[in-house]
Amino acid sequence: DAGITQSPRHKVTETGTPVTLRCHQTENHRYMYWYRQDPGHGLRLIHYSYGVKDTDKGEVSDGYSVSRSKTEDFLLTLESATSSQTSVYFCAITPGPGTGGGGYGYTFGSGTRLTVV
Amino acid sequence: DAKTTQPTSMDCAEGRAANLPCNHSTISGNEYVYWYRQIHSQGPQYIIHGLKNNETNEMASLIITEDRKSSTLILPHATLRDTAVYYCIVTGGGTSYGKLTFGQGTILTVHP
Repeated sequence: DAGITQSPRHKVTETGTPVTLRCHQTENHRYMYWYRQDPGHGLRLIHYSYGVKDTDKGEVSDGYSVSRSKTEDFLLTLESATSSQTSVYFCAITPGPGTGGGGYGYTFGSGTRLTVV
Repeated sequence: DAKTTQPTSMDCAEGRAANLPCNHSTISGNEYVYWYRQIHSQGPQYIIHGLKNNETNEMASLIITEDRKSSTLILPHATLRDTAVYYCIVTGGGTSYGKLTFGQGTILTVHP
């Protein structure tokens, strides 16, 4: 989608190696999220950020770390990749709660397909 | 966040309205209903959201019952490109803001 880019789109890596996925946005949105999607599990939240240097864990954060040193970039790092981390990873952004608290829809990236062999 | 229940799959003829139901009987007063869809292996796409009033945009309409325990997403004139998985999600603000919980969704197949 316009305004959000994930890189790389595809990656094959070996077990035990570190991997970093990048999410870049040009919308100046405050909130950014990393999800993974696996068959039978749907999308699950890994980590999210509610501002520069402000991050928190999601549902499936073990084995992952994140960093956000500037508004436009949110990095997801697998410190030592395992086969269980083979998945499709989606980044998402949203401006934040609206005046009524309901917020806005997310915009999702096109995904990164990661294979750990 | 409240749990949602959706049918596993639905069919619709091209050009007809597609009505996708969602049950969210445990929804609380400050929780919104969001709808997303995912076409094939693309990233999910935001469709619409609402609190208690019916909403309409260029993509769809959202009808929320008066007791807010269920809702219906309406695609007024379905096309083949609307074939996708549709997710109904309930989420609130505060500390849970933006942390969407995706269920299995409804697989909508639009037939020629």
